[in-house]
Amino acid sequence: KQEVTQIPAALSVPEGENLVLNCSFTDSAIYNLQWFRQDPGKGLTSLLLIQSSQREQTSGRLNASLDKSSGRSTLYIAASQPGDSATYLCAVPYQTGANNLFFGTGTRLTVIP
Amino acid sequence: DGGITQSPKYLFRKEGQNVTLSCEQNLNHDAMYWYRQDPGQGLRLIYYSQIVNDFQKGDIAEGYSVSREKKESFPLTVTSAQKNPTAFYLCASSPTGSSPIQYFGAGTRLSVL
Repeated sequence: KQEVTQIPAALSVPEGENLVLNCSFTDSAIYNLQWFRQDPGKGLTSLLLIQSSQREQTSGRLNASLDKSSGRSTLYIAASQPGDSATYLCAVPYQTGANNLFFGTGTRLTVIP
Repeated sequence: DGGITQSPKYLFRKEGQNVTLSCEQNLNHDAMYWYRQDPGQGLRLIYYSQIVNDFQKGDIAEGYSVSREKKESFPLTVTSAQKNPTAFYLCASSPTGSSPIQYFGAGTRLSVL
């Protein structure tokens, strides 16, 4: 069964710093990986989706990479801002062709002004 | 506005009582999902539906029931058989097909009185 792990569980950085969030998965036979953001007590917002054929995907200050062979993905946030403070979750599909997602436990990010 | 609406935002359940969480979407998505989130944990799939009048169990379906009579609606009932229902419940929807992004509602927080 797929397991998705995110380390660290929590991270605090000063404003302006660049940072990297990590996501690892045990079954490399995935066909995409998604990164989500969750604000406290709220639902999830999709940030980036990387197809298995891609190595990275960018949106604004966010860059996500995917290395299927090593079972790892990273989310890079450039020039962090206090508004980036949230929990970031990665997720992979249950199985090829399925839309259900396995979620990691998330990294809670705090950007200190 | 297009989106997913979950209601109520907060819900309290008495012992032995069944309660129903509402999820409505106007995105014209075929697939809908229910997830449960416990503190400090990722999301776990309860039930999902790929098409009207059809639904499948996820990893933690015991003590829950769903229906999908309309494309726009996917209500979740937390039955008295669910002994530990206190959690944050999230509903999502997506198009079917390869690599769809899931869109999430704002969630319902269920507590036991």
